[in-house]
Amino acid sequence: DAGVIQSPRHEVTEMGQEVTLRCKPISGHNSLFWYRQTMMRGLELLIYFNNNVPIDDSGMPEDRFSAKMPNASFSTLKIQPSEPRDSAVYFCASRVGGRETQYFGPGTRLLVL
Amino acid sequence: SQQGEEDPQALSIQEGENATMNCSYKTSINNLQWYRQNSGRGLVHLILIRSNEREKHSGRLRVTLDTSKKSSSLLITASRAADTASYFCATDVYGNNRLAFGKGNQVVVIP
Repeated sequence: DAGVIQSPRHEVTEMGQEVTLRCKPISGHNSLFWYRQTMMRGLELLIYFNNNVPIDDSGMPEDRFSAKMPNASFSTLKIQPSEPRDSAVYFCASRVGGRETQYFGPGTRLLVL
Repeated sequence: SQQGEEDPQALSIQEGENATMNCSYKTSINNLQWYRQNSGRGLVHLILIRSNEREKHSGRLRVTLDTSKKSSSLLITASRAADTASYFCATDVYGNNRLAFGKGNQVVVIP
């Protein structure tokens, strides 16, 4: 099993640019989570999906952030326009329905200049 | 939202020693989980303890849960250099279907 796959692993962009982060969950997992990790705020849940449907997006910081899950094997997190304060490591995690353990991807390190 | 808080924040020990870290939380939980994060990597699940359990073991890991004090501890026995990482507790609030992570506890094991 390849585990949760995220791309890109590193992204450097300029303020105002659109950023798209991608995630492929583990096959058979039907819950998917997007987290953001910073030194100041730690690990924050942004949004999670169950069976491709967004269940709770209360952690999404503002309208500049959007997430989609068009099918069971792919999700995107988009930031438009990006700002320097969005610089962080973004993690995707997936889980089998009914199980508690989450499996994390390697993360995308985003730097917005 | 629910937030676990680890204490102490940083720990430096010699290889072979035991490492203990604590976590407190504020509301009732369904279970509490511990994750490890190596530098530049994603989080890896270590162990889960349910609200009706008091102690659990997995290899060199021992986790305790005191629901009356709303606290948990993670003990790593006979530490190794490879145990150098950040350790996070995460609480699963009953019925919430999401995890709330603490800020993490950095452990450095000196060979």
